[in-house]
Amino acid sequence: DARVTQTPRHKVTEMGQEVTMRCQPILGHNTVFWYRQTMMQGLELLAYFRNRAPLDDSGMPKDRFSAEMPDATLATLKIQPSEPRDSAVYFCASGLGRGTEAFFGQGTRLTVV
Amino acid sequence: AQTVTQSQPEMSVQEAETVTLSCTYDTSESDYYLFWYKQPPSRQMILVIRQEAYKQQNATENRFSVNFQKAAKSFSLKISDSQLGDAAMYFCAYRGLYGGATNKLIFGTGTLLAVQP
Repeated sequence: DARVTQTPRHKVTEMGQEVTMRCQPILGHNTVFWYRQTMMQGLELLAYFRNRAPLDDSGMPKDRFSAEMPDATLATLKIQPSEPRDSAVYFCASGLGRGTEAFFGQGTRLTVV
Repeated sequence: AQTVTQSQPEMSVQEAETVTLSCTYDTSESDYYLFWYKQPPSRQMILVIRQEAYKQQNATENRFSVNFQKAAKSFSLKISDSQLGDAAMYFCAYRGLYGGATNKLIFGTGTLLAVQP
């Protein structure tokens, strides 16, 4: 059945290393969201794409984070260099436009030591 | 900017009883969607129910129903006949219908629901 696929599911890395998280949206969906979930901040929207174009990345720390959609089947979120405060669960979600619901992947649990 | 507020960090309900989770939102838009998502310990985000703002009729999905008060900007979730599997974090979410950046999906801080046997 159709689902959003995120890889890796878990990632442990050392401070200063580059981290790349990948997301395969549901086929046919033209909207992709990246969220970060922590106990303190809850669900924060990091970036939002429609038809592969970034519409809003105001929630993303620009100095170290970047998000791209190289093609319609792949979205990436990179952190370089990573810091311990980046430890969180990162979710990707996809959907159609016009206000409809988003379907979530299972998340990537990132731990930066 | 749109905001979503969930004022109940935690709630508890007895199995088979009914519980209502509260949500308020702020927006200047007239057309939008509202959602309730459930996040069990597995951390998977699951859509529970959605409501289109232009529909006056409250949405229902089996044991889940909403009380949508557009003028008051209130969107509560009622869970009837609570089951142990309903224990989870529940998030209220808003998504605008038009425009670019306003079409993003924003979430409240969540309500952790415990179900007592």
